Amino acid sequence: QQPVQSPQAVILREGEDAVINCSSSKALYSVHWYRQKHGEAPVFLMILLKGGEQKGHDKISASFNEKKQQSSLYLTASQLSYSGTYFCGTVHPSNTGKLIFGQGTTLQVKP
Amino acid sequence: SAVISQKPSRDICQRGTSLTIQCQVDSQVTMMFWYRQQPGQSLTLIATANQGSEATYESGFVIDKFPISRPNLTFSTLTVSNMSPEDSSIYLCSVHRDSRDTQYFGPGTRLTVL
Repeated sequence: QQPVQSPQAVILREGEDAVINCSSSKALYSVHWYRQKHGEAPVFLMILLKGGEQKGHDKISASFNEKKQQSSLYLTASQLSYSGTYFCGTVHPSNTGKLIFGQGTTLQVKP
Repeated sequence: SAVISQKPSRDICQRGTSLTIQCQVDSQVTMMFWYRQQPGQSLTLIATANQGSEATYESGFVIDKFPISRPNLTFSTLTVSNMSPEDSSIYLCSVHRDSRDTQYFGPGTRLTVL
């Protein structure tokens, strides 16, 4: 059961904010966020393990609402380097750690 | 963290042939996975490589097409057998030590089948 990401694509100007959502139809154990630039492997951003947990890294943060079975990634004051495709990966309690990825959200930051 | 290398980094193969992709990790890890990423698509899990036993395949993937070996806790291979152009993808291995840990990806193998 692939998680659903929204929006599919976002175009921003430098300095603007964005939110990417990830939702699942099944209970979640954890949510992982990755960014992938063209031609490169996915790069880990953060992992959220508990319901309601929020984590931050520089101007990128995320929340995890276990009850709603969803997570959101917040990009604040976006920079050109934020451009890429963002994937959420979800782990279900029965799945022994394997990640199932959403379809991705393409973010383009323009000068 | 974990440092992962894959060989080859890219290859161009003829229809009907097979290619074996190697994944080497710099330390012992419990869990190792193989993913496929078709052009412009998300990452799709092929299988979990289990050390000392047969791999566990996801729906739509079978052992005859994608045989996997995992002889120890730092190494695994994925073979793409009897290739067709539809197998053209990036193949990535990933690892993590337990389900609460970060999952790290190798650099990927870009496969083109003619």
